[in-house]
Amino acid sequence: LAKTTQPISMDSYEGQEVNITCSHNNIATNDYITWYQQFPSQGPRFIIQGYKTKVTNEVASLFIPADRKSSTLSLPRVSLSDTAVYYCLVGDRGGADGLTFGKGTHLIIQP
Amino acid sequence: GAGVSQTPSNKVTEKGKYVELRCDPISGHTALYWYRQSLGQGPEFLIYFQGTGAADDSGLPNDRFFAVRPEGSVSTLKIQRTERGDSAVYLCASSPSGLRPVGELFFGEGSRLTVL
Repeated sequence: LAKTTQPISMDSYEGQEVNITCSHNNIATNDYITWYQQFPSQGPRFIIQGYKTKVTNEVASLFIPADRKSSTLSLPRVSLSDTAVYYCLVGDRGGADGLTFGKGTHLIIQP
Repeated sequence: GAGVSQTPSNKVTEKGKYVELRCDPISGHTALYWYRQSLGQGPEFLIYFQGTGAADDSGLPNDRFFAVRPEGSVSTLKIQRTERGDSAVYLCASSPSGLRPVGELFFGEGSRLTVL
């Protein structure tokens, strides 16, 4: 059973706000929610991590409702360089029961 | 640079050969992770080290795969009798500690393995 479910792909335009939602119905009490970005031929890069409510950093915001069964990564005013695959991970530790990647969301930004 | 370094960046080998892939983590990071990524898929967990010991090796696909981290720093992923299905990008990541919750994983750029 997949720990997370995300849309396979999304399209948007430069300057728009993009919201990518991830479902994690079986999230455990100790689990954190972490998002990574990956460009072709590169390793994934950490974007943001949160446990509940809202977390914001210089590149994104993460919204987590009270039941924590989903989360939304918000990218403000995207540019062409935000075209990448975005992964939502749920867990609190390394290993097979921890930080596992799904197939991710391929975000394509158009001019 | 001070990031995670993986060598070689590309490796082409023939079916049945032995391969070693090396990972130099960020200095001071005690946790080290190996993942494998096939085209169009997300990274697949292989093994996770906390210090010198393998904390979880349940992702290794079979006994042809083995990884070591003898001094708690550099790690080597070893693949015996390579098969065409082993072709993938092997990613290494490190983090300051494996304590819960695990924060940011710092990934290298990967080693692309092609088995002919």
